Amino acid sequence: DAKTTQPTSMDCAEGRAANLPCNHSTISGNEYVYWYRQIHSQGPQYIIHGLKNNETNEMASLIITEDRKSSTLILPHATLRDTAVYYCIVRVLGFGNEKLTFGTGTRLTIIP
Amino acid sequence: DAGITQSPRHKVTETGTPVTLRCHQTENHRYMYWYRQDPGHGLRLIHYSYGVKDTDKGEVSDGYSVSRSKTEDFLLTLESATSSQTSVYFCAISEPGTSGSLYNEQFFGPGTRLTVL
Repeated sequence: DAKTTQPTSMDCAEGRAANLPCNHSTISGNEYVYWYRQIHSQGPQYIIHGLKNNETNEMASLIITEDRKSSTLILPHATLRDTAVYYCIVRVLGFGNEKLTFGTGTRLTIIP
Repeated sequence: DAGITQSPRHKVTETGTPVTLRCHQTENHRYMYWYRQDPGHGLRLIHYSYGVKDTDKGEVSDGYSVSRSKTEDFLLTLESATSSQTSVYFCAISEPGTSGSLYNEQFFGPGTRLTVL
């Protein structure tokens, strides 16, 4: 699986959009971009994933650049409960290849 | 939340003793995983299972063994615990997509905090 690079930490004001970047310059054509988050002391929580098109769900939006070498996770209206460590992961999907490789992620702090 | 429980949630033990952690799911998912989380390392995969009695090693499997005798339970055993195995252990489950779908997020349990003195 390709390696990802994320900023160590970020702050965002409550109510504003939080934009979390991720670089994955060595991503291959069959690798998906996944985002998880981990709120203090809890297990990681799936947020969203995508291949090359932008994706949106009830939690967030995922913007993937055209060359797929980077992506941005957008939390449109951040709340204090969004304070967490956010992990960007790239991986191949397929039967028998389900492993996730977590880096150290971005610690996002929402400021009241 | 997905139906995943881990037991015990906290355990303190001494070096050299055997320890077994249990992960139980009610989702009937095929895949189950054990991760450990340590400061500065994120989560690292220890072992995983892709079906009953089918398991494979992850990136940090030394000193650990696993067993899966039924779909709902995945056991992680430390045969002789060491201080380096002090960590938070997370279990996860997933189900491969059906009908050609590759959508298969992993759901994580609440974690077990293990301290080896």
